[in-house]
Amino acid sequence: GAGVSQTPSNKVTEKGKYVELRCDPISGHTALYWYRQSLGQGPEFLIYFQGTGAADDSGLPNDRFFAVRPEGSVSTLKIQRTERGDSAVYLCASSFGLADTQYFGPGTRLLVL
Amino acid sequence: KQEVTQIPAALSVPEGENLVLNCSFTDSAIYNLQWFRQDPGKGLTSLLLIQSSQREQTSGRLNASLDKSSGRSTLYIAASQPGDSATYLCAVYGGATNKLIFGTGTLLAVQP
Repeated sequence: GAGVSQTPSNKVTEKGKYVELRCDPISGHTALYWYRQSLGQGPEFLIYFQGTGAADDSGLPNDRFFAVRPEGSVSTLKIQRTERGDSAVYLCASSFGLADTQYFGPGTRLLVL
Repeated sequence: KQEVTQIPAALSVPEGENLVLNCSFTDSAIYNLQWFRQDPGKGLTSLLLIQSSQREQTSGRLNASLDKSSGRSTLYIAASQPGDSATYLCAVYGGATNKLIFGTGTLLAVQP
């Protein structure tokens, strides 16, 4: 079956612009997670959804970051007024339920110039 | 605050060798531990998941062990192959936080 997909695969933007990153989880998975990975580091948690609601957004670095999952499937991570420090790989993962194996997408590589 | 450490940061071995990757974590109150593989420029592939009540899990040439009380896990790779070259990440999942906390990974190179 299809795995987790993320679009776009690469995004180059200018400082101050708005970007949206999309994640399509595995069908039937109720839990969806966003992580951010900087070069040479492990992924860092941003936010997770159980169904449609953001159950834990404690990893979002500041209020420029926001994520939604309106119908309990596809999720969008939104970054306002991008800064150069936002440049990283943004990874999405989904799992059948909490504490189950998380399956990761290929990531979106964001570069803010 | 949970912290996950992986040693060594990088490892180069000749093909055919058996090897061990190490992962340690500071808070033993975990629900499970996962080992992942990451190829350059790619996402993460789940290799093994060990529940906190388990001591080990095996998949093919891979064997992962967990000693929760001492905060340690090892990933054993038997008869390594050049195709095993990748970064290996361990991550712990805590029931109270419902998120994975990752180590910084071990970059493995298997020389043909």
